[in-house]
Amino acid sequence: DARVTQTPRHKVTEMGQEVTMRCQPILGHNTVFWYRQTMMQGLELLAYFRNRAPLDDSGMPKDRFSAEMPDATLATLKIQPSEPRDSAVYFCASGWALGQGYSNQPQHFGDGTRLSIL
Amino acid sequence: KNEVEQSPQNLTAQEGEFITINCSYSVGISALHWLQQHPGGGIVSLFMLSSGKKKHGRLIATINIQEKHSSLHITASHPRDSAVYICAAEYGNKLVFGAGTILRVKS
Repeated sequence: DARVTQTPRHKVTEMGQEVTMRCQPILGHNTVFWYRQTMMQGLELLAYFRNRAPLDDSGMPKDRFSAEMPDATLATLKIQPSEPRDSAVYFCASGWALGQGYSNQPQHFGDGTRLSIL
Repeated sequence: KNEVEQSPQNLTAQEGEFITINCSYSVGISALHWLQQHPGGGIVSLFMLSSGKKKHGRLIATINIQEKHSSLHITASHPRDSAVYICAAEYGNKLVFGAGTILRVKS
């Protein structure tokens, strides 16, 4: 079965360090999503790409977070500098969308990156 | 404000029971998603619907556009159904999540 691959699965680092999370979407999918999950806020959408172009990143703190898709097989989410409040599980998902809609099929989620900032 | 309300927050059932989880949203949406998060943390997309009803195995999802309400039903529940169930409303390019319902099915 095709699946979304996220790396690393776990990351522990000190405050102030740069963190890069990577996602390989399912081949053929044209949408990629980054989500963050915390106990307090639950699941939140950080960024949304379609055909590698960012359509919505309003959920992302712009001063320290950045999301890119250098090619169709790789999406990255970077935090620089990292802070303890960034500790969370970060999920990547991919899917397929036509027209103006958000998606036409259910998304496929990766296993997540569990990030701890000390 | 685009909001999504789920109920109940926690649900404990006996194996075999019929289970209903509810989701209400505040304004018009383009689609409603139901997700399942396993105890290990993995997330699976169960349904995406914009009208009517969808069924997959023992899971049924319904949506009532006029009442801005969706339900997820599980028939003949089993301990392996124990998970967190999350609904999410699609507003244009944004997805707004409910807080989730923690379901525990006891044998």
